[in-house]
Amino acid sequence: QLVQSADEMRRPGDSVQVSCQTSNYSFAHSGMSWLRLAPGRGLEWLGWISAYHGHTKYARKFQSRIELTIDKSTKTGYMKLSSLTSADTALYFCARDKLIGPGVEPVDVWGQGTRVTVSS
Amino acid sequence: SYVLTQSPSLSVAPGETARLTCGGDNIGTKGVHWVQLRPGQAPVLVMSSAGDRPSGIPARISGSHSKNAAILTISGVEAGDEGDYFCHVWDYSEDEFVFGSGTRVTVL
Repeated sequence: QLVQSADEMRRPGDSVQVSCQTSNYSFAHSGMSWLRLAPGRGLEWLGWISAYHGHTKYARKFQSRIELTIDKSTKTGYMKLSSLTSADTALYFCARDKLIGPGVEPVDVWGQGTRVTVSS
Repeated sequence: SYVLTQSPSLSVAPGETARLTCGGDNIGTKGVHWVQLRPGQAPVLVMSSAGDRPSGIPARISGSHSKNAAILTISGVEAGDEGDYFCHVWDYSEDEFVFGSGTRVTVL
């Protein structure tokens, strides 16, 4: 099970951090991907992080302003997105992925989603 | 980048069969996965590549593919099958997941 943090509202230019706490699976032997569902743009994959060593892989579109981190002590993943614009208004998801990297298999367990609204 | 094409919507009566198509160049050579999104719920992976059903997904949901299309078949459609279905593949040239635009399934 993946439990995400509450919905957020931000101004353009701000940053937002979303958390995702895991339970009931071997967190340290997994990876975590982050995705979003944006109005009119469908689903997008943002990036992946290894829960074991913290290695990351980001989608090219977001790599200049996204940071994924892991807190192994609390089994929690974090996604920080900076320089927000209205185009970043979306429902953000974390999902369980493979330890060795994204794309090996599909993400198979998803969080419930965190709505991020960017508006002036 | 790789493009996946899905029909925007599909309506089906309870008990009938829904066939969702995901088009892509030589998609038959790729691992195609399907995820269901319903409002207020966590998304659910309903089919993995090569027709592998995740644990808990009923046998009435199946996957197949031809050279340029992947198909998700839902037999004996139920109200709980309503939702938006997104096909996706890993694009090795871009090193990221690519998603179709989604098909909204409505159970009449």
